[in-house]
Amino acid sequence: KAGVTQTPRYLIKTRGQQVTLSCSPISGHRSVSWYQQTPGQGLQFLFEYFSETQRNKGNFPGRFSGRQFSNSRSEMNVSTLELGDSALYLCASSPNYGYTFGSGTRLTVV
Amino acid sequence: GQSLEQPSEVTAVEGAIVQINCTYQTSGFYGLSWYQQHDGGAPTFLSYNGLDGLEETGRFSSFLSRSDSYGYLLLQELQMKDSASYFCAVTSGSARQLTFGSGTQLTVLP
Repeated sequence: KAGVTQTPRYLIKTRGQQVTLSCSPISGHRSVSWYQQTPGQGLQFLFEYFSETQRNKGNFPGRFSGRQFSNSRSEMNVSTLELGDSALYLCASSPNYGYTFGSGTRLTVV
Repeated sequence: GQSLEQPSEVTAVEGAIVQINCTYQTSGFYGLSWYQQHDGGAPTFLSYNGLDGLEETGRFSSFLSRSDSYGYLLLQELQMKDSASYFCAVTSGSARQLTFGSGTQLTVLP
């Protein structure tokens, strides 16, 4: 059974650019959540999708957005990148409880 | 909002037993989870407690007291490979949002 797949693994972007990250959940998992992990702030919840609907959103600016497709794959987008957006972005999927995380996308903004 | 407190660091020797405590404040509590994360890796699900009591999975056990808003992760027969960060996380709210603590860095010494 394939795990949660995130692409790309590493990304370097320039301030002001935008970026799109992709996540393919475990087959059959309809809930997909996104987290930002930084040394200073830890694991912070971005948003959660279930059956293409955003059920919950964390305390992040509107530059952070996401969506989920009918096949449960999800994307998150960050526009007008700032240096502080440099982080590990993790996607996790769950059938109910007990999330399985992907390996993450390490985004560096220069 | 939600808040979780856990120790930032714990050190123990190989073969010992260590307990990592977690206290939380949240509304709409569903359950407490534990995750392990090695440096450079993604968080890995360890256990989930939805009801009071002890859950045992091999060398790891997790406990929850809903009345005390408290839980702990117990690691027995510590091995060097157990050196990692351990996060407690609460599932809460109608959308079952997962909120993480700041993590406990466990160092296992030979």
